[in-house]
Amino acid sequence: TQLLEQSPQFLSIQEGENLTVYCNSSSVFSSLQWYRQEPGEGPVLLVTVVTGGEVKKLKRLTFQFGDARKDSSLHITAAQPGDTGLYLCAGEMNTGNQFYFGTGTSLTVIP
Amino acid sequence: GAGVSQTPSNKVTEKGKYVELRCDPISGHTALYWYRQSLGQGPEFLIYFQGTGAADDSGLPNDRFFAVRPEGSVSTLKIQRTERGDSAVYLCASSTGYPTDTQYFGPGTRLTVL
Repeated sequence: TQLLEQSPQFLSIQEGENLTVYCNSSSVFSSLQWYRQEPGEGPVLLVTVVTGGEVKKLKRLTFQFGDARKDSSLHITAAQPGDTGLYLCAGEMNTGNQFYFGTGTSLTVIP
Repeated sequence: GAGVSQTPSNKVTEKGKYVELRCDPISGHTALYWYRQSLGQGPEFLIYFQGTGAADDSGLPNDRFFAVRPEGSVSTLKIQRTERGDSAVYLCASSTGYPTDTQYFGPGTRLTVL
C-alpha cells in the first residue's frame, strides 16, 4: 500500500526552468526522505527531513516538510539534463523502521 | 567499500516455478529491507529484518513469498509457484538500523514470469 501520492506523475521541461514536485498523505510521518532513481539502479537518498516546517537546501534543490508532517515538496531551480530521473518521497511512521514510498515523479529535462 | 549487491540481475522463469533472489548488504549493516517495484512506480515494502529476525513482514503479499537472513548478513527472498503478476524489480536495501539512518539500495533483480 502506497500511502504517499506524488504529483505530477510525469514532468518534461526545458533546461533552465524551475519545477516543484509534491508528496501528499493523510498520514503523519516521523521523518520523510527524498530519493532520485535512474534506470537500472536503486534509489539514492537526497535528503531526510524530520521536523514539521523544516526547509533544507541542497545546491539547486529545496526540500520542505509540511507543518503537520503529512506532506512535502521538492523544488528544483534552473533544472539541468543531469536532474533527469525518477524522484521518490518516502515516509517513516512512528511505528518503526518501515518506509512507505510515494508513487514517483518521472522528470525529463530537455537540453 | 562495496555497496549492496543483488543476484541475479535478471531472472526469467515460467509460471509455477520457484525462484530465489539474493541480497548481500553492506558489511556491518544490521537492518535489511526488501521492496518490489513495478515500472514507473515507487518501491513497495515487503519485509524488514533487524539482525536475523524479521521485524516486520506485513508487506509480503501472500504465503508464496518468504525471506530469510539466517546469519544476519545475506538475505534470500523466496517465491513459490510464481505468477505473471510477480514480475517486477525486487530491490534490497540495508542500513545501520538507527532511526532515520540512510538506506543504501542495491541495483535490484528484474524478475520476469512468463
